[in-house]
Amino acid sequence: GENVEQHPSTLSVQEGDSAVIKCTYSDSASNYFPWYKQELGKGPQLIIDIRSNVGEKKDQRIAVTLNKTAKHFSLHITETQPEDSAVYFCAASSSWGGADGLTFGKGTHLIIQP
Amino acid sequence: KAGVTQTPRYLIKTRGQQVTLSCSPISGHRSVSWYQQTPGQGLQFLFEYFSETQRNKGNFPGRFSGRQFSNSRSEMNVSTLELGDSALYLCASSPQGAGDEKLFFGSGTQLSVL
Repeated sequence: GENVEQHPSTLSVQEGDSAVIKCTYSDSASNYFPWYKQELGKGPQLIIDIRSNVGEKKDQRIAVTLNKTAKHFSLHITETQPEDSAVYFCAASSSWGGADGLTFGKGTHLIIQP
Repeated sequence: KAGVTQTPRYLIKTRGQQVTLSCSPISGHRSVSWYQQTPGQGLQFLFEYFSETQRNKGNFPGRFSGRQFSNSRSEMNVSTLELGDSALYLCASSPQGAGDEKLFFGSGTQLSVL
């Protein structure tokens, strides 16, 4: 089955700086890579996703890059703000057939220092 | 539109008991997935239901089961509870349950087994 590794487990950055979270996956059949943000006491919420036919996607301060050959993808957050503090999860799945379930990374606790 | 609703929010049980958790998906969503979240293992896929049928199942023992009703509401049941079943149980819904669909998560049920 799929295995997703996520690094780092904790990331502390100064407000206004950039943050980068990296993930690798093992199954070459995976073609959908979402990123979820989980705030304390809430369920994960999708913030951005990318499909394997695209190398990069951007949405305001958030961007995701995908390298299919190396089987890794990254989340980039620029101009970080206090509200960006949360746990971020990368995930991978295949769009073929039904939902086999997302395989999640272990999460990155992002701390924005004022 | 109302989000995904999970009840109860918190639950305390003792070893050997059984428990039933409930999930009401977003109106119009036919797929409901369940995930277990623990600090050690992260988010793990339990199973997915679509049109009252279990389509996919993760790597969990048979003590974990679920069902879906004709109105798409879903329940999951854990029998003969073990200490290791203590976790946050998250329900997510999506329109069709395709592998590359956005999942909408509820806030979860926090289960503590004593």
